Amino acid sequence: NAGVTQTPKFRVLKTGQSMTLLCAQDMNHEYMYWYRQDPGMGLRLIHYSVGEGTTAKGEVPDGYNVSRLKKQNFLLGLESAAPSQTSVYFCASTHGGVQPSEQYFGPGTRLTVT
Amino acid sequence: KNEVEQSPQNLTAQEGEFITINCSYSVGISALHWLQQHPGGGIVSLFMLSSGKKKHGRLIATINIQEKHSSLHITASHPRDSAVYICAVRLDYGGSQGNLIFGKGTKLSVKP
Repeated sequence: NAGVTQTPKFRVLKTGQSMTLLCAQDMNHEYMYWYRQDPGMGLRLIHYSVGEGTTAKGEVPDGYNVSRLKKQNFLLGLESAAPSQTSVYFCASTHGGVQPSEQYFGPGTRLTVT
Repeated sequence: KNEVEQSPQNLTAQEGEFITINCSYSVGISALHWLQQHPGGGIVSLFMLSSGKKKHGRLIATINIQEKHSSLHITASHPRDSAVYICAVRLDYGGSQGNLIFGKGTKLSVKP
């Protein structure tokens, strides 16, 4: 199993450009998450999904959109990138439900917006 | 006030030393996770705890639910243990979306 994969690993964007980050998992997990990691701060939740076709906002959703058309994929879009979106982005997945379960993280995408 | 606080923020140790990293939280939780992140690397789950103590190799994690406190111990530390250790909690309430709330991490450097 590949676990959780992310594409791309690195990207440099100019202000105003758009891009989509792809997260894929092969563990049949229901729940998927997008987090961002910034220096001096803990990871913060951007958006999440509790199942195919569902998405919801997290702590820092502004400037991002997401889609979960297939259970195994969770896409994060930046429609008009801003320098404040320079960050490392991590996708994670878990079985979901009431009982806690392990979260599995992707390798991260390092995004720089100039 | 952060819901998850870790201490220390930075820790330097000599190879072989016993290391303790602490995590305190201020909310009701259903589970606490300890994660490891190597420089420039991804995030790996070390432990998930709801109560008591877990051990894996040289790593030991404990949690005291009443005191809202957890510790991660590393015995006989080695330079390859150098990484950022992150404490994260899953909130305990009905309908939880299961996401984690993270501490800022503890950067550990083990010198040979």
